[in-house]
Amino acid sequence: DAKTTQPPSMDCAEGRAANLPCNHSTISGNEYVYWYRQIHSQGPQYIIHGLKNNETNEMASLIITEDRKSSTLILPHATLRDTAVYYCIVRATGGGNKLTFGTGTQLKVEL
Amino acid sequence: DAGITQSPRHKVTETGTPVTLRCHQTENHRYMYWYRQDPGHGLRLIHYSYGVKDTDKGEVSDGYSVSRSKTEDFLLTLESATSSQTSVYFCATSRLGLAGASSTDTQYFGPGTRLTVL
Repeated sequence: DAKTTQPPSMDCAEGRAANLPCNHSTISGNEYVYWYRQIHSQGPQYIIHGLKNNETNEMASLIITEDRKSSTLILPHATLRDTAVYYCIVRATGGGNKLTFGTGTQLKVEL
Repeated sequence: DAGITQSPRHKVTETGTPVTLRCHQTENHRYMYWYRQDPGHGLRLIHYSYGVKDTDKGEVSDGYSVSRSKTEDFLLTLESATSSQTSVYFCATSRLGLAGASSTDTQYFGPGTRLTVL
């Protein structure tokens, strides 16, 4: 699975959009981009995933560049409860469905 | 989210003692996973199972064994616990779709077990 690079930390004001970047320059054609988050002391929580088209769900939007070498997770209206570590993961389809977690981005949402 | 429980939630044990952690799921998911999480390392896969009695190693499997005799239960055993195995352990499950280009299965995680080996 391709490696990912994320900034270690980011801050965001409550109510503003939080844009979390991820670089995955070695991504292969059959690899999806997944985002998970982990709120302190809890198990990771799935947010969203995509292959090459932009995706949106009730939690967030995922923007993937045309060359697929980077992506951005967007939380449109961040709240204090969105304070968490956000993991960008690139994973191939099929097989053992294994996820390789890096160290992620610590997002701190402040008043 | 899948109904995933882990037991115990907290455990303190001594070096050299055997420890078994249990993961139980109620969603009939085929795949189950054990991860450990340590500061500075994110989550690392220990073992996973792709069906009853079918298991495989992850990236940090040394010192751990697993068993899956029923779809709903996945056990992680530390045969002789060491201080380096002090960690938070997470179980996860996924419902595997068909392998191939359309497979985008999601993993659901349990609440974690905090294990301290003295």
